[in-house]
Amino acid sequence: EVQLLESGGGFVQPGGSLRLSCAASGFTFSSYAMSWVRQAPGKGLEWVSAIIGSGGSTHYADSVKGRFTISRDNSKNTLYLQMNSLRAEDTAVYYCAKDLKPGDGDVIWGYFQHWGQGALVTVSS
Amino acid sequence: DIQMTQSPSSLSASVGDRVTITCRASQSINIYLSWYQQKPGKAPKLLIYAASSLQSGVPSRFSGSGSGTDFTLTISSLQPEDFATYYCQQGYSTPFTFGPGTKVDIK
Repeated sequence: EVQLLESGGGFVQPGGSLRLSCAASGFTFSSYAMSWVRQAPGKGLEWVSAIIGSGGSTHYADSVKGRFTISRDNSKNTLYLQMNSLRAEDTAVYYCAKDLKPGDGDVIWGYFQHWGQGALVTVSS
Repeated sequence: DIQMTQSPSSLSASVGDRVTITCRASQSINIYLSWYQQKPGKAPKLLIYAASSLQSGVPSRFSGSGSGTDFTLTISSLQPEDFATYYCQQGYSTPFTFGPGTKVDIK
């Protein structure tokens, strides 16, 4: 059974940093691209970032580019999101999500089959 | 970036109704379109991918169609567990983008 378990959420002041982790199990982690998707309170879904299976290529939404860094440790089956220079508008539940199919090379399918339970990040003074 | 729009933004329907939700992309995305269902406090659930492929385990009353810029999600006979918010999402190119959502509630 595929499981994705986020951790690292919490309360942080504007300008601060936080690192989210997503522990994966039940599938061959290194074969799948992974993404982070967030949802501000009462709002819709916003894709944040994606990384291919090998970790060699990353993609970001304009709203987080230069502030957030996605990475993965395939030996630990764990996905990360380092969030720096946090703003109030980054307040959201952050989900990690697994691609539907294994990626060949640098393919990201962009269909999110499995999701974690979400980690709440609150940025406020 | 590719912008996604959905209509309607909300609708009220009864159990047994046929429901159709429309999604439009700001440029052609071929068939790289997926649909998700989200219930309050829960993570989204993948229903349809590649515009019309039913995700394993999803009831057959859900169907998707379309290509290019115009897509639809149809629920053939609405069930009590289908009251939720539905999102479309393009997987054609990064940044991947979601539609604003369609909330389906009980009439």
